[in-house]
Amino acid sequence: DAGVIQSPRHEVTEMGQEVTLRCKPISGHNSLFWYRQTMMRGLELLIYFNNNVPIDDSGMPEDRFSAKMPNASFSTLKIQPSEPRDSAVYFCASSWIAGGYGYTFGSGTRLTVV
Amino acid sequence: RKEVEQDPGPFNVPEGATVAFNCTYSNSASQSFFWYRQDCRKEPKLLMSVYSSGNEDGRFTAQLNRASQYISLLIRDSKLSDSATYLCVVKNAGNMLTFGGGTRLMVKP
Repeated sequence: DAGVIQSPRHEVTEMGQEVTLRCKPISGHNSLFWYRQTMMRGLELLIYFNNNVPIDDSGMPEDRFSAKMPNASFSTLKIQPSEPRDSAVYFCASSWIAGGYGYTFGSGTRLTVV
Repeated sequence: RKEVEQDPGPFNVPEGATVAFNCTYSNSASQSFFWYRQDCRKEPKLLMSVYSSGNEDGRFTAQLNRASQYISLLIRDSKLSDSATYLCVVKNAGNMLTFGGGTRLMVKP
């Protein structure tokens, strides 16, 4: 099992540019989550999908953030335009919906907006 | 009040010591409970689930007190490799996990 795969691992971009983060969940998992982690705020849930359908996006900071899951094996998180305060580590995680299971996290994308 | 609260530490302990972390949660309807471990600049990884009857995995023991809404993690015979941040996690309806802020453990030689 390849685990949850995120790309890129690191991204440095200039303020105002569009950033797209990618995630491939574990095959067979039917829930997918996007988290953001900073020293100040810890791990924050941005949005999650069940069976490719967005269920709760209340954690998305503002309209500059959008997420899609066109199929069961791929999701994107887009920031447009990016700002320095978006600098953080963005994690994708996947799990099964049912049962008392935890999540499996990807290695994260470290985003720096200068 | 945060939904899941932990002492951020750091806890500095010598090798071989026993250390305990506590966590409280506010949602009485929370359904499942976990401890995750996060190493510096790495992703969180599931350490163990927490069951009402208490459960043990090697040197690690987890306890849950639903009445007090309290979760604990005990680490016996601490190793240098146990140095990490330990995240208390609760799962509510809808398959959402809520993470505590983490407790940092530093095990020293």
